[in-house]
Amino acid sequence: DGGITQSPKYLFRKEGQNVTLSCEQNLNHDAMYWYRQDPGQGLRLIYYSQIVNDFQKGDIAEGYSVSREKKESFPLTVTSAQKNPTAFYLCASSISGGTGELFFGEGSRLTVL
Amino acid sequence: AQKVTQAQTEISVVEKEDVTLDCVYETRDTTYYLFWYKQPPSGELVFLIRRNSFDEQNEISGRYSWNFQKSTSSFNFTITASQVVDSAVYFCALSEAAREGNNRLAFGKGNQVVVIP
Repeated sequence: DGGITQSPKYLFRKEGQNVTLSCEQNLNHDAMYWYRQDPGQGLRLIYYSQIVNDFQKGDIAEGYSVSREKKESFPLTVTSAQKNPTAFYLCASSISGGTGELFFGEGSRLTVL
Repeated sequence: AQKVTQAQTEISVVEKEDVTLDCVYETRDTTYYLFWYKQPPSGELVFLIRRNSFDEQNEISGRYSWNFQKSTSSFNFTITASQVVDSAVYFCALSEAAREGNNRLAFGKGNQVVVIP
């Protein structure tokens, strides 16, 4: 079945450690996105990529990094510079230049101990 | 700049009651798209509906209906005869994709709907 796969579903890390969240899609979509969700805050855009080897910062990119070496993959690294990394992270994809419908993965919940 | 406001945070209804979720948006663009997404406890957001700024026709789809009014910048969503499976967080979102050439969505803070059996 086509869709978006995020892993791991749950992740714990100690302060000061970097962690990478995986996002893979087999929908043949050009564009991919990372959103962060905090309780009562809705979704906020971290990074997005419209094409392989290119990506742009979203509204809250500080402390995060991404890469887009393959069309299917858009991993997100939460670095030690991110001051409040505990959150629910959602990856999405879409047809580039389309009308805005995003397809989402099931999310990764990161907890920093 | 764009902004989406969902004023109510949590709404509880008894099964079979109707529930309406309010969404007010701000944009300077004349071409834009509005969305409603549902987030069940599993976490994945599920697309429900998209409307473009030129289509103010309201629609009913099963137990769901939408009321889009450009004059008041509102895009409200109603669940008729609610069921326990409707319990979820519902997000309203806005995209100015036609201008920017990408699908960046601005989301509201969401409405937690709890349907009590």
